[in-house]
Amino acid sequence: EPEVTQTPSHQVTQMGQEVILRCVPISNHLYFYWYRQILGQKVEFLVSFYNNEISEKSEIFDDQFSVERPDGSNFTLKIRSTKLEDSAMYFCASSPQPRGGYTFGSGTRLTVV
Amino acid sequence: GNSVTQMEGPVTLSEEAFLTINCTYTATGYPSLFWYVQYPGEGLQLLLKATKADDKGSNKGFEATYRKETTSFHLEKGSVQVSDSAVYFCALTGPTDKLIFGTGTRLQVFP
Repeated sequence: EPEVTQTPSHQVTQMGQEVILRCVPISNHLYFYWYRQILGQKVEFLVSFYNNEISEKSEIFDDQFSVERPDGSNFTLKIRSTKLEDSAMYFCASSPQPRGGYTFGSGTRLTVV
Repeated sequence: GNSVTQMEGPVTLSEEAFLTINCTYTATGYPSLFWYVQYPGEGLQLLLKATKADDKGSNKGFEATYRKETTSFHLEKGSVQVSDSAVYFCALTGPTDKLIFGTGTRLQVFP
């Protein structure tokens, strides 16, 4: 069964450093998403991406965040200057169509120290 | 705005017991409704979905019916197994395709 692959599974970074979280969506999917889950809290939408541009973003997704699909296969989330409160599990997802139910990756646990 | 409310956990059951996890929603228009499951150490997996009123989603013995009149999408299973122990998330999309999740309900099944 096709999978969404996320790397690394766990990343520890110092406050103020830049991090890039990587995702390889399912190859024939066209819609891409990032979500995050702070420990013990609900899963929150960050951003959706279609046709090489952001479709929608949440208020969490401020100027410190950016997304990119650099080579037609990878889909990355960059946090420019990490804060302690960015510590969370970050999930990538992809879908062949909108509102169809996504396939999620297994997540990257980001720890900012 | 749109939101999802789930019953708080943990829900603790013996194997072969009947499971209900309540989910209600607030939404404008006609949302699509989903249940996702997160097994320990894993990501979110789509369990079932329903896209219009009175639709029943089902998978792996789990069922949920889209009830517009009560704005509910309760998850049920007739006989749970230890392997069903996980966190279950109710979610919706609409009017855009972003998923809005409930807080999750942890299910613990004991032999």
